[in-house]
Amino acid sequence: RKEVEQDPGPFNVPEGATVAFNCTYSNSASQSFFWYRQDCRKEPKLLMSVYSSGNEDGRFTAQLNRASQYISLLIRDSKLSDSATYLCVVNNRGGYQKVTFGIGTKLQVIP
Amino acid sequence: EAQVTQNPRYLITVTGKKLTVTCSQNMNHEYMSWYRQDPGLGLRQIYYSMNVEVTDKGDVPEGYKVSRKEKRNFPLILESPSPNQTSLYFCASSLGAGFEQYFGPGTRLTVT
Repeated sequence: RKEVEQDPGPFNVPEGATVAFNCTYSNSASQSFFWYRQDCRKEPKLLMSVYSSGNEDGRFTAQLNRASQYISLLIRDSKLSDSATYLCVVNNRGGYQKVTFGIGTKLQVIP
Repeated sequence: EAQVTQNPRYLITVTGKKLTVTCSQNMNHEYMSWYRQDPGLGLRQIYYSMNVEVTDKGDVPEGYKVSRKEKRNFPLILESPSPNQTSLYFCASSLGAGFEQYFGPGTRLTVT
């Protein structure tokens, strides 16, 4: 089993739709979780951190489920500008200072 | 402006010719890291450094070397590049492994 797994998609959704991505991780000792956004082979940029209590930033909501070992990202009212690849990131696996990225989920928002 | 810089941005080289990709950050970050990104495989960590003179292997360290003599610089060295090292490389820095990472613009390397 991969350390961090994501459905690569693509997810093609109409403007205004709500879309959700999940990301599972295998190491229960993982400590930090993030969602990054990457546009077409450019550098990844932080979208949001994922806290145990969940967090929301405008149209974006991230949640962590430690019992089932997954994190989720919900995008409401999708915009054309949301089209990108969304990467989940798990840090500090088992006490090591490593960082593991998921393969990324490609989202295409269509008019 | 807070940033991570990488040079060169594009490099085409031949098998066996040693090369260095430089990475520099101006945010006084302790943690720095190198990744490669390949289609279907995503971003994979090559090496990371938790501070000056402290480096460790990531998930795909074979064929690469790094050094951290100064806090701001973290060069990636390919002693004898091979075609399977053709990839898009990113350098990143952060306060620590558990914090937001700031990425450089990437270096596209082709080894023929």
